[in-house]
Amino acid sequence: GAGVSQSPSNKVTEKGKDVELRCDPISGHTALYWYRQSLGQGLEFLIYFQGNSAPDKSGLPSDRFSAERTGGSVSTLTIQRTQQEDSAVYLCASSPGLDTQYFGPGTRLTVL
Amino acid sequence: DQQVKQNSPSLSVQEGRISILNCDYTNSMFDYFLWYKKYPAEGPTFLISISSIKDKNEDGRFTVFLNKSAKHLSLHIVPSQPGDSAVYFCAAQSNFGNEKLTFGTGTRLTIIP
Repeated sequence: GAGVSQSPSNKVTEKGKDVELRCDPISGHTALYWYRQSLGQGLEFLIYFQGNSAPDKSGLPSDRFSAERTGGSVSTLTIQRTQQEDSAVYLCASSPGLDTQYFGPGTRLTVL
Repeated sequence: DQQVKQNSPSLSVQEGRISILNCDYTNSMFDYFLWYKKYPAEGPTFLISISSIKDKNEDGRFTVFLNKSAKHLSLHIVPSQPGDSAVYFCAAQSNFGNEKLTFGTGTRLTIIP
């Protein structure tokens, strides 16, 4: 079946602009996670959605970052007033519950 | 504060030999550990995992060892194959299932034909 998909695959933006990154999880997966990988770093947790529960936003680095998950499926990560340090690969993962997280291919964000 | 550490950024191993990738953690609340493999321009893919109640888990050429007292785990690949060349990430969870993963910084493994 289809895996986790993310769009766009690459995004180049100017400093100060807003960007939206999209994640389509595997159908039926109740949990959805966003991570990012900055150059030379490991994957860093950003936010986690589980069903209808309030999301765990503990990993968001600043209030410029927000995410929503509509209808328990598609998720959008929004970064407002982008900064150069936001440049990274943003990865989405989904999980059916008590199981492994499955990752999408990521969106490479470059802030000029 | 790096709670999961992979101290070797890179490793080169001859084809057919054993590859050993190491990982250390500091948070004693972690009770589930995973290894992910990542090729360029792709997302990480799950490789193998181990619960803290075990000290070894084997799946084909891949074996993960966990030493809880030392807060250390390792991934053994034997025999190593060229297709194993990738970046390997160690990850940990504090509650199996729907909990965030804490990742190490990765080890780039290169298998030399």
